[in-house]
Amino acid sequence: DTGVSQDPRHKITKRGQNVTFRCDPISEHNRLYWYRQTLGQGPEFLTYFQNEAQLEKSRLLSDRFSAERPKGSFSTLEIQRTEQGDSAMYLCASSLGGGEDYTFGSGTRLTVV
Amino acid sequence: AQKVTQAQTEISVVEKEDVTLDCVYETRDTTYYLFWYKQPPSGELVFLIRRNSFDEQNEISGRYSWNFQKSTSSFNFTITASQVVDSAVYFCALSDYTSGTYKYIFGTGTRLKVLA
Repeated sequence: DTGVSQDPRHKITKRGQNVTFRCDPISEHNRLYWYRQTLGQGPEFLTYFQNEAQLEKSRLLSDRFSAERPKGSFSTLEIQRTEQGDSAMYLCASSLGGGEDYTFGSGTRLTVV
Repeated sequence: AQKVTQAQTEISVVEKEDVTLDCVYETRDTTYYLFWYKQPPSGELVFLIRRNSFDEQNEISGRYSWNFQKSTSSFNFTITASQVVDSAVYFCALSDYTSGTYKYIFGTGTRLKVLA
């Protein structure tokens, strides 16, 4: 696998339900990032992992959001009690070393109805 | 605070025309990176270029060229002889290292429509 994989590609959920997304980074990349992109906007930073440690979280990441990266490999992003405002594209990226070069995944598009 | 401005929301051109996408940035960092990404309708972000703040040489890659001017804090992107396949949303981004993490600050994007 030469890229960053995200699953699922699309998710439609009812308001109030919990959803979980998965990201598989490039295998040798130790840094992993989550971004959120709402309609008509550029991606915005959510959180960052170096190996298994979550080192930074944006203020955009409310208490309903939680991210994990067990064993420093894949990562999951869970949203509890989804709201319509959570509808967005959730992008994962990974990088090696300094982190200035990301590889983005294709994203998970969430629609909350 | 770091900021990226892409004032052009949408541009339409006829195939084979040249088009320039503007990007203006704000940063207090002395070392930073600038990027351009392409986002086709499928949604993935396709990396086009990274430029270090110390390298002001313009770059050309096929039909793509980039003009970096620190004096005006601009990093503009030109597509020569545009093609329908160039239709996409283009994002300019700036690295933000203030917290010790390379976060990207994206502009709001410019939607380019190339008409046949």
